[in-house]
Amino acid sequence: GAVVSQHPSWVICKSGTSVKIECRSLDFQATTMFWYRQFPKQSLMLMATSNEGSKATYEQGVEKDKFLINHASLTLSTLTVTSAHPEDSSFYICSARDTSKTPTDTQYFGPGTRLTVL
Amino acid sequence: AQTVTQSQPEMSVQEAETVTLSCTYDTSESDYYLFWYKQPPSRQMILVIRQEAYKQQNATENRFSVNFQKAAKSFSLKISDSQLGDAAMYFCAYRTSGYSTLTFGKGTMLLVSP
Repeated sequence: GAVVSQHPSWVICKSGTSVKIECRSLDFQATTMFWYRQFPKQSLMLMATSNEGSKATYEQGVEKDKFLINHASLTLSTLTVTSAHPEDSSFYICSARDTSKTPTDTQYFGPGTRLTVL
Repeated sequence: AQTVTQSQPEMSVQEAETVTLSCTYDTSESDYYLFWYKQPPSRQMILVIRQEAYKQQNATENRFSVNFQKAAKSFSLKISDSQLGDAAMYFCAYRTSGYSTLTFGKGTMLLVSP
């Protein structure tokens, strides 16, 4: 149980285009999902917290208009990188909380998406 | 703000030996959760073990155990009978009770040699 998937696992795009990354909780409902960014050999940096049916909460320094987050259902959150540039190249990871279980403090992570912007 | 510190960028251990990874944290909260996550080369984050701050008993999961020292704000991970598959980046993480976001340490790369 508690499986989180991400799609695609790897995407290459041209500078100036937009890319959408999907995060799904496969066997549980997730009212809260999280999006992280990870540079090589570094820790995870929280970008935003996504709550189903409401606007995402972005961390300081994260551009809301560049990283659009939508959490339209209890099993799906999407991250859209708009007008991507080479500096947006990174590894993006989502996680979700299984609020149906006790304790509800554990986050389960997706396998990540490697974004390369040419 | 809460901070999590992992002072060992890299650790090495031989198969079947025991290794301890260190983690300290800073918080003014009394109720919180601590976690160790493993990130192998596949980069899939895997929960290794979790500890509730209100529990005095140290958490254990098979070969993995923690030494939780609340007063010292220390949360170390002990891996017994190390296996080649344990080679990975290990992240210590903290979460305040009632607040959902995790604060991660910078990670410790564990190398396991035959």
